[in-house]
Amino acid sequence: DGGITQSPKYLFRKEGQNVTLSCEQNLNHDAMYWYRQDPGQGLRLIYYSQIVNDFQKGDIAEGYSVSREKKESFPLTVTSAQKNPTAFYLCASSTTSFYTFGSGTRLTVV
Amino acid sequence: GQSLEQPSEVTAVEGAIVQINCTYQTSGFYGLSWYQQHDGGAPTFLSYNALDGLEETGRFSSFLSRSDSYGYLLLQELQMKDSASYFCAVSPHDKIIFGKGTRLHILP
Repeated sequence: DGGITQSPKYLFRKEGQNVTLSCEQNLNHDAMYWYRQDPGQGLRLIYYSQIVNDFQKGDIAEGYSVSREKKESFPLTVTSAQKNPTAFYLCASSTTSFYTFGSGTRLTVV
Repeated sequence: GQSLEQPSEVTAVEGAIVQINCTYQTSGFYGLSWYQQHDGGAPTFLSYNALDGLEETGRFSSFLSRSDSYGYLLLQELQMKDSASYFCAVSPHDKIIFGKGTRLHILP
């Protein structure tokens, strides 16, 4: 079955650490996205990529980095520069009309 | 700028009909879509309107008026499993912008 796989489901980060969230899709979608969701809030765009080896900043890119070396993969690194990283992170890929989301990664700073 | 407005919460009774409104302001527009998200889960796609009018998918319908920058999601024959958050989203061109979501509470 086609879909998007995010891992890990839960992640704990110590202060000052960088962590990388994985996102893999087998839907053959060109576009991929990373969103952050805080409790009771909507989805805020971090980064997106329309094609391999190219990506753009979203509304809250500071403290995050991405790469797009393969069509299937769009990993997100949460760097130590992100001062409030505790949140639910969602990866998505799209056709022109709608998104398919992964099941999310819940990141907690300890 | 780009913005979407939808009510933060709506309450309805099981078996009834509920409408969730969404108004938007964007610099470009390709369509209005709706997503459902249960607690702890990922959003799932419900419907998409590129043109004015009503789209029906089972118990769910979605409406768009481009001239009014307005749309709504209509849920009929409400079931307890419909308790969730519902997000409207607009497609300016190369990405989708989401509203803050409407929490739907269903009373038995």
